[in-house]
Amino acid sequence: EPEVTQTPSHQVTQMGQEVILRCVPISNHLYFYWYRQILGQKVEFLVSFYNNEISEKSEIFDDQFSVERPDGSNFTLKIRSTKLEDSAMYFCASRGTAFSNEQFFGPGTRLTVL
Amino acid sequence: QKEVEQNSGPLSVPEGAIASLNCTYSDRGSQSFFWYRQYSGKSPELIMSIYSNGDKEDGRFTAQLNKASQYVSLLIRDSQPSDSATYLCAVNILTGGGNKLTFGTGTQLKVEL
Repeated sequence: EPEVTQTPSHQVTQMGQEVILRCVPISNHLYFYWYRQILGQKVEFLVSFYNNEISEKSEIFDDQFSVERPDGSNFTLKIRSTKLEDSAMYFCASRGTAFSNEQFFGPGTRLTVL
Repeated sequence: QKEVEQNSGPLSVPEGAIASLNCTYSDRGSQSFFWYRQYSGKSPELIMSIYSNGDKEDGRFTAQLNKASQYVSLLIRDSQPSDSATYLCAVNILTGGGNKLTFGTGTQLKVEL
């Protein structure tokens, strides 16, 4: 069964460093998302992406964040200068078509900022 | 502020019983409703989606939607220890943008032997 994959599973970085989290959405899916979940808190929307551009972004998704689909398979989230409060699980999700609202999540990347 | 509210639990039920999980949402523009299961340290796993008023059954799971009351529920019949997890209610609001999901905090379910 097709699934969303994410790498790395765990990323440890120093405050102020740049990190890139990678996702491979389900093949043929058209809509891509990043969510995050701080430990013990709810899953929060960060950004949605369609047709090579951002469709919507949350207040969390400030200038430190960017997304890119560098090729036909990968979808990346970059955090330019990490802060302690960026420590969280980051989930990538994908959705098939405009007629299907179901989003399927990847296994996540645990980001730890020291 | 568009909110999704769930009782955090834990909800404890004996093995074989029916577990009933509830969720309310604030935005009447909400179009699609989802239940995700999340095991500790894992990602949300989609188990049910519902789009119109009434019941939708899939195996041991039944989702119920009442848009007038802004209420969604999930029933799990014949609960098993493997059903022990946090159940997340998620709501999709058509904003003209990316169809983001807004999640509740989740209800922790414990199925006891």
